[in-house]
Amino acid sequence: EPEVTQTPSHQVTQMGQEVILRCVPISNHLYFYWYRQILGQKVEFLVSFYNNEISEKSEIFDDQFSVERPDGSNFTLKIRSTKLEDSAMYFCASSAAPGQGVGQPQHFGDGTRLSIL
Amino acid sequence: KQEVTQIPAALSVPEGENLVLNCSFTDSAIYNLQWFRQDPGKGLTSLLLIQSSQREQTSGRLNASLDKSSGRSTLYIAASQPGDSATYLCAVKGSSNTGKLIFGQGTTLQVKP
Repeated sequence: EPEVTQTPSHQVTQMGQEVILRCVPISNHLYFYWYRQILGQKVEFLVSFYNNEISEKSEIFDDQFSVERPDGSNFTLKIRSTKLEDSAMYFCASSAAPGQGVGQPQHFGDGTRLSIL
Repeated sequence: KQEVTQIPAALSVPEGENLVLNCSFTDSAIYNLQWFRQDPGKGLTSLLLIQSSQREQTSGRLNASLDKSSGRSTLYIAASQPGDSATYLCAVKGSSNTGKLIFGQGTTLQVKP
């Protein structure tokens, strides 16, 4: 069964450094998402991406964050200058093949655990 | 603002028992509701999706129901097995114009052999 893959599984970075989290969504999906889960807290929406542009973002997704789909398969989340509070599990998700409606299930990757020192 | 709550936070049952996990949401104007399973340190596995026009969905030993007017969904697990031990999350999608899922905090289930 097709799946969303994320790399790396664990990233350790010094505060203030830039980090790029990578995702390969399910190949024929059209909608892409990033979520995060701080340890012990709820999963929180960060951003959705469709047709090569951001369609929605949360208040968490400030100017330090950016997303990109550099080619036909990868979807990346960049944090420009990491803070201690950025430490979390980051999940990528994708949904909806061409011809399907917007009410399709979102499929998640296994996440990247980001640790900021 | 939509809030999603799951009760109980944790549940421990003996193997073979049927059980119900609860999810409630404050704004009944949802587009759909999705149940997920999360194993420790892992991602979210989609279990069931219920559209706002549906009352229930079934997959194997799992049955999810939705009562939109009362802001509630339940996940029924029949004949529980130790392999069902995990955290179960529900999430709502507010409208067709948003892809954002709003999650509950989850119910951690332990099924004892």
